Amino acid sequence: GQNIDQPTEMTATEGAIVQINCTYQTSGFNGLFWYQQHAGEAPTFLSYNVLDGLEEKGRFSSFLSRSKGYSYLLLKELQMKDSASYLCAGDAGKSTFGDGTTLTVKP
Amino acid sequence: NAGVTQTPKFRVLKTGQSMTLLCAQDMNHEYMYWYRQDPGMGLRLIHYSVGEGTTAKGEVPDGYNVSRLKKQNFLLGLESAAPSQTSVYFCATRLAGVYEQFFGPGTRLTVL
Repeated sequence: GQNIDQPTEMTATEGAIVQINCTYQTSGFNGLFWYQQHAGEAPTFLSYNVLDGLEEKGRFSSFLSRSKGYSYLLLKELQMKDSASYLCAGDAGKSTFGDGTTLTVKP
Repeated sequence: NAGVTQTPKFRVLKTGQSMTLLCAQDMNHEYMYWYRQDPGMGLRLIHYSVGEGTTAKGEVPDGYNVSRLKKQNFLLGLESAAPSQTSVYFCATRLAGVYEQFFGPGTRLTVL
């Protein structure tokens, strides 16, 4: 199976660091996506990990462990505009999405 | 460049009515996808296409049909709408060999 699990909601403070976890059953995925989706808008691509390890892109980093079926998205120096849903998706030629984690950034 | 556009943006249907949603892209991408997103949930793949003239079923294809007669357009049809099809529908495109999907703005469909 390819179930994807991520926490439903998280809250963090402006300027802080937050880690959003994603777990999945290990068979079938070539890599893992992270998307950001603001309320009422379309998802936008953040990252794609195909190899184990951490990939950094500005304030956002994404980590993948294929053997453990585990990924996380790390957001540093949180800003109010980072309040959004963050979707984890497995790539098997076509994408399978988790239900998303709604992050609320408070002043 | 318009990117990925979806028509219409909003629609209200009565149970049993039919309609077609249009996704158009000017990026010359080979792959196109139709997703639905219900409140508080992620995206679920309905149908997809890897090129002009080809379509395939996704995770939740029942009640929908698709066509890709031209590379730039991907049509999603509902032959007999049901309240369970009330959702936001997103189209996405991808260039072959590139991972990133580009999403359209979405169509909000309500079936009464």
